[in-house]
Amino acid sequence: NAGVTQTPKFRILKIGQSMTLQCAQDMNHNYMYWYRQDPGMGLKLIYYSVGAGITDKGEVPNGYNVSRSTTEDFPLRLELAAPSQTSVYFCASKGTADFPNEKLFFGSGTQLSVL
Amino acid sequence: RKEVEQDPGPFNVPEGATVAFNCTYSNSASQSFFWYRQDCRKEPKLLMSVYSSGNEDGRFTAQLNRASQYISLLIRDSKLSDSATYLCVVKPAGGATNKLIFGTGTLLAVQP
Repeated sequence: NAGVTQTPKFRILKIGQSMTLQCAQDMNHNYMYWYRQDPGMGLKLIYYSVGAGITDKGEVPNGYNVSRSTTEDFPLRLELAAPSQTSVYFCASKGTADFPNEKLFFGSGTQLSVL
Repeated sequence: RKEVEQDPGPFNVPEGATVAFNCTYSNSASQSFFWYRQDCRKEPKLLMSVYSSGNEDGRFTAQLNRASQYISLLIRDSKLSDSATYLCVVKPAGGATNKLIFGTGTLLAVQP
């Protein structure tokens, strides 16, 4: 069982370039999230989705876009990359919103550097 | 004020010690609370959900204090393998939100 798969694992971008971080889960989870983690810091929520066709902004959405056309996939788009977007990006999913079973399953992360 | 705040540490403790972390949250109507563990350069993983009445899982005990708006994590008989960053996670109240907000994490280093 693959769980949550993120690609790529590493990427270097030049300022102004665009890219899409891919995230796929095979657990049929409705809820999916994108977080970024800066060095020595906690995770900040970028965007999240509660089901196919539904997305919403988190704490730090500026400079990013998402789509959720299927239950499985939740790609994160960076337009016009800036050095401030250098970070580790984590995708996560969960199957339920019912406490205490609402466990987040994380992908292994994407290390992005914008130079 | 941040939604979720933690003492970043680091907490340096000897093996066998007992250590406690606190986490405060700003929204008094927050619904659900969790502790996640993150090893260096790895993804976070759920350690414990925090029940209103408090709960224990082996050497780990979690408590919730709604009046003072904080949760705590107590680790007894610390092991070298407990060295990690411990992240407090809060689900805010309200509507259809399913946001899960992470604190900045508390770094624990258990020394031999």
